[in-house]
Amino acid sequence: AQKVTQAQTEISVVEKEDVTLDCVYETRDTTYYLFWYKQPPSGELVFLIRRNSFDEQNEISGRYSWNFQKSTSSFNFTITASQVGDSAVYYCALSGPGGYQKVTFGIGTKLQVIP
Amino acid sequence: KAGVTQTPRYLIKTRGQQVTLSCSPISGHRSVSWYQQTPGQGLQFLFEYFSETQRNKGNFPGRFSGRQFSNSRSEMNVSTLELGDSALYLCATKGGLATDTQYFGPGTRLTVL
Repeated sequence: AQKVTQAQTEISVVEKEDVTLDCVYETRDTTYYLFWYKQPPSGELVFLIRRNSFDEQNEISGRYSWNFQKSTSSFNFTITASQVGDSAVYYCALSGPGGYQKVTFGIGTKLQVIP
Repeated sequence: KAGVTQTPRYLIKTRGQQVTLSCSPISGHRSVSWYQQTPGQGLQFLFEYFSETQRNKGNFPGRFSGRQFSNSRSEMNVSTLELGDSALYLCATKGGLATDTQYFGPGTRLTVL
């Protein structure tokens, strides 16, 4: 069975601090996809990244970076120099080989960035 | 470029009724996915459609169904509503199967009384 664990339910940081959101997954598939989404207080989900299991390169997009480590089944998300606008709930998700097969979400990590 | 549109935005129904929700994708997008979000179960994947074909389905009972039309607009239907179906229903669209980026609509808030 697939499982996604986001052990940090809530994190508070002061603006401009760096913060890492953890995501640990379990799957028996050899091919799978990992996702991160952001849900700000407005409620609308925002897609951040999709990474397949064969691509272990770390990804950087502006202040966002993702560290994929198959050896520890983790796909962690780091925000550098956090901003108040980063305050949101962040979800990690896992799917099977088809990209959207057996999609499983974590419970989310609520990030509060304090000015 | 217009974003993803979901209608209606809010809906109140009673147990036993059925409901149809609509999702209009960004022009040119052919892939539509649906998600349910509740306080108890969190985010759950419902379906994925591409070119009028359901490609994937989440672990939901048969009361939940969907379809996609030739213009890529998608509808989902829930029959015999239960209190537990109260949720925010989100749809996301993307250009094609190989495309990564999804664009989400604002959601439909369904309340079942």
